Amino acid sequence: EDKVVQSPLSLVVHEGDTVTLNCSYEVTNFRSLLWYKQEKKAPTFLFMLTSSGIEKKSGRLSSILDKKELFSILNITATQTGDSAIYLCAVTYSGGSNYKLTFGKGTLLTVNP
Amino acid sequence: KAGVTQTPRYLIKTRGQQVTLSCSPISGHRSVSWYQQTPGQGLQFLFEYFSETQRNKGNFPGRFSGRQFSNSRSEMNVSTLELGDSALYLCASSPGRSGGVGTDTQYFGPGTRLTVL
Repeated sequence: EDKVVQSPLSLVVHEGDTVTLNCSYEVTNFRSLLWYKQEKKAPTFLFMLTSSGIEKKSGRLSSILDKKELFSILNITATQTGDSAIYLCAVTYSGGSNYKLTFGKGTLLTVNP
Repeated sequence: KAGVTQTPRYLIKTRGQQVTLSCSPISGHRSVSWYQQTPGQGLQFLFEYFSETQRNKGNFPGRFSGRQFSNSRSEMNVSTLELGDSALYLCASSPGRSGGVGTDTQYFGPGTRLTVL
């Protein structure tokens, strides 16, 4: 069965720390891997990764994909309390003419002042 | 630009009833995807509509259906509601030019919280 696994499930850090969130996947016909941040309600898009080894960066957040080892990491440097959220990883894959998208269970990040 | 809007925001139904949820995408976006989020199962993909056609589909039973109108607004219908259908239902819109769901940036709406009693 296709699946997406995120680790750790939860993480508590202090402001200023650097964190690394992991997402591994087992799907056939991989298309893309996406990272989202979910605070109160709706997820907000962070990154879409399709190629191995190319780092995507946005401010203090960065992410990279390894298609050989089937995982991605999301790094957050100099964490702030506003980074507290659930971080979701999702993988898109195709089966014939149909695309599917599967989410991991998420990593709950708590940043304490 | 206005964001993705969903109506209603909260809904309470009883088992056996049916429900219709609405999603208005960002202007110019032609793809609308629907998701179910529960504490136990997390976020799960229901289906995607593009240009009034269901383009992609997740693994939900036929009780879950949808449609899209010519103005890209989409509705999702759940028939014969079960207690397990209680969830936050999210829709997301994207330009949809790249092909399937998840191949371009999606913008999520605030969701509809459905409670089935």
